[in-house]
Amino acid sequence: QSALTQPASVSGSPGQSITISCTGTSSDVGGWNFVSWYQHHPGTAPKLMVYEDSKRPSGVSDRFSGSKSGNTASLTISGLQAEDEADYYCCSFAGSGTYVFGTGTRVTVL
Amino acid sequence: EVQLVESGGGLVQPGGSLRLSCAASGFTFSIYWMSWVRQAPGKGLEWVANINQVGSEKNYVDSVTGRFTISRDNAKNSLYLQMSSLRAEDTAVYYCGRHPNSAFDFGGQGTLVTVSS
Repeated sequence: QSALTQPASVSGSPGQSITISCTGTSSDVGGWNFVSWYQHHPGTAPKLMVYEDSKRPSGVSDRFSGSKSGNTASLTISGLQAEDEADYYCCSFAGSGTYVFGTGTRVTVL
Repeated sequence: EVQLVESGGGLVQPGGSLRLSCAASGFTFSIYWMSWVRQAPGKGLEWVANINQVGSEKNYVDSVTGRFTISRDNAKNSLYLQMSSLRAEDTAVYYCGRHPNSAFDFGGQGTLVTVSS
């Protein structure tokens, strides 16, 4: 149950696209189609942005997209906006009913 | 709208116990798996435990197995986390989450548990 690996920080200018990676193993990220992504502003509830690797809940902007290749999942934010500045976490099903989160990435809009 | 209101946090001494509650509204509580997720100060999110719709299946992260017990009362639309033998490393904000599609819907601001002497 080791945390998935994410870059500590990613930054971009308004309007640019950024991508956050999330690396796990064949026991979690690579073994199931159950990677989800969360946006978290401190002091508030984390918000689900992507589920089942690449699906977006209703109400989430289509600027957010998820993908996966092997043991690495990615979240891309296109058309970066000031309101996107937050912490982002990936999460994967890890078998036997358990889940593991990523280490988290701080997104900064320059 | 999914609403989840966590309560029961507070200051507790190492080795002590605490029971967290989560009141759910805005959805049919009894048809969802539910989870507890926590965030220690300055750290990332960590999944803690989950429970199926009828309470017959429960899963835990290794670090709390044997010390924490998750439960639910569908008649009261409530989720619980009984925590015992608490350690300093259990200090965190605890969130409850609805569990659709192997993801989490969070609806509250969490409840802070501080384990300190």
